[in-house]
Amino acid sequence: EAQVTQNPRYLITVTGKKLTVTCSQNMNHEYMSWYRQDPGLGLRQIYYSMNVEVTDKGDVPEGYKVSRKEKRNFPLILESPSPNQTSLYFCASSSPTGSYNEQFFGPGTRLTVL
Amino acid sequence: AQSVAQPEDQVNVAEGNPLTVKCTYSVSGNPYLFWYVQYPNRGLQFLLKYITGDNLVKGSYGFEAEFNKSQTSFHLKKPSALVSDSALYFCAVRDGSGGYNKLIFGAGTRLAVHP
Repeated sequence: EAQVTQNPRYLITVTGKKLTVTCSQNMNHEYMSWYRQDPGLGLRQIYYSMNVEVTDKGDVPEGYKVSRKEKRNFPLILESPSPNQTSLYFCASSSPTGSYNEQFFGPGTRLTVL
Repeated sequence: AQSVAQPEDQVNVAEGNPLTVKCTYSVSGNPYLFWYVQYPNRGLQFLLKYITGDNLVKGSYGFEAEFNKSQTSFHLKKPSALVSDSALYFCAVRDGSGGYNKLIFGAGTRLAVHP
């Protein structure tokens, strides 16, 4: 089954404790992206990747890091989480870059930073 | 800059009645528009898109959307609402600047269909 998976689905952590949210897709998509969803703001892009070893900032990249060492994986790293990063996070993928194809979204990771 | 507006936070409809969820956009160049739906505790699911061609676009689950260039709108419609259509709906426009596939989302509209 074609899908985007994220882990964990739910995470409660404390300020400053490094964490990683994994994202994996099995559709051989070149393009992957991370969004955060906050009430009244819709989804905002954090980082994106056009292919392996090619990443760039989205609209709200502060406090986040990403890597793209393999085509299928695109982890989101919070080196020192803060309470304002409490949010619902979605990973998405699509192919090919520059096309008008729809994006496929993962199930989401609800993060709470205390 | 590209932007999308969904003027209604919530839309309430009785089951069996037609529904409309509104979306307006602002883009430079040709608009590439999408509708996604989010059910509780689920990721976003693609409903339909407008790239070019016919102004009435048909999508999944009986939904359709009407593209109106003069009014810069892309309203989502369904002739007869179901209780199971209750969800959060997002309109989005593709931002093709830089050659990547970024989506700019509206704030979302919660659709509540009452029995």
